[in-house]
Amino acid sequence: EVQLVQPGAEVKKPGQSLKISCKGSGYSFTNHWIAWVRQMPGKGLEWMAIIYPGDSDSRYRPSFQGQVTISVDKSISTAYLQWSSLRASDTAIYYCARLSRDFDGLDYWGQGTLVTVSS
Amino acid sequence: SSELTQDPAVSVALGQTVRITCQGDSLRRYYATWYQQKPGQAPLLVIYDKNKRPSGIPDRFSGSSSGNTASLTITGAQAEDEADYYCNSRDSRTNHLGVFGSGTRVAVL
Repeated sequence: EVQLVQPGAEVKKPGQSLKISCKGSGYSFTNHWIAWVRQMPGKGLEWMAIIYPGDSDSRYRPSFQGQVTISVDKSISTAYLQWSSLRASDTAIYYCARLSRDFDGLDYWGQGTLVTVSS
Repeated sequence: SSELTQDPAVSVALGQTVRITCQGDSLRRYYATWYQQKPGQAPLLVIYDKNKRPSGIPDRFSGSSSGNTASLTITGAQAEDEADYYCNSRDSRTNHLGVFGSGTRVAVL
């Protein structure tokens, strides 16, 4: 069974750093792109960035370039999304999802990590 | 443009049929995928490759496409179909990244 497991929630203060994880299992982790998707409170879904665990090739949507960093540790089948200095506007749910090799889309999703940034 | 446009909300009587549309230039080149999201849950894939359903998705969900418009149809809507629905396609401007539609909230009356 394919699974992407994310921590449920993180609470941080503005200016702090954060790294959230997404652990894949039940499939060949290095052979599928992993996407990060943001959902701000009460809003829709936004593609942020993708990474290929096989070689760490990464692509960012321009609006997120320089704001976040994505990475992987393929030895433990885990992808990461990190911020160096959080802002209140980063408060959102962040989902990781697997890009299908058979069609243009995301076939499996993590449960999402709620990141709350508040002083 | 890489944007995908959806109607914000639609309603359907229990057991009736509702169609949700998604418009965008990228749909002329790429198939749409459709996701269902219920409150407090992660999105769930319901349609891919224009009109294919993953295992476990009821056959009352179907997809179609014409020109720059993709559609998701629920035939015989059930109470459990009340959710937000998002279309998605590849973004022709950014290699491999996709773009989501703005989402349609479906209310089953």
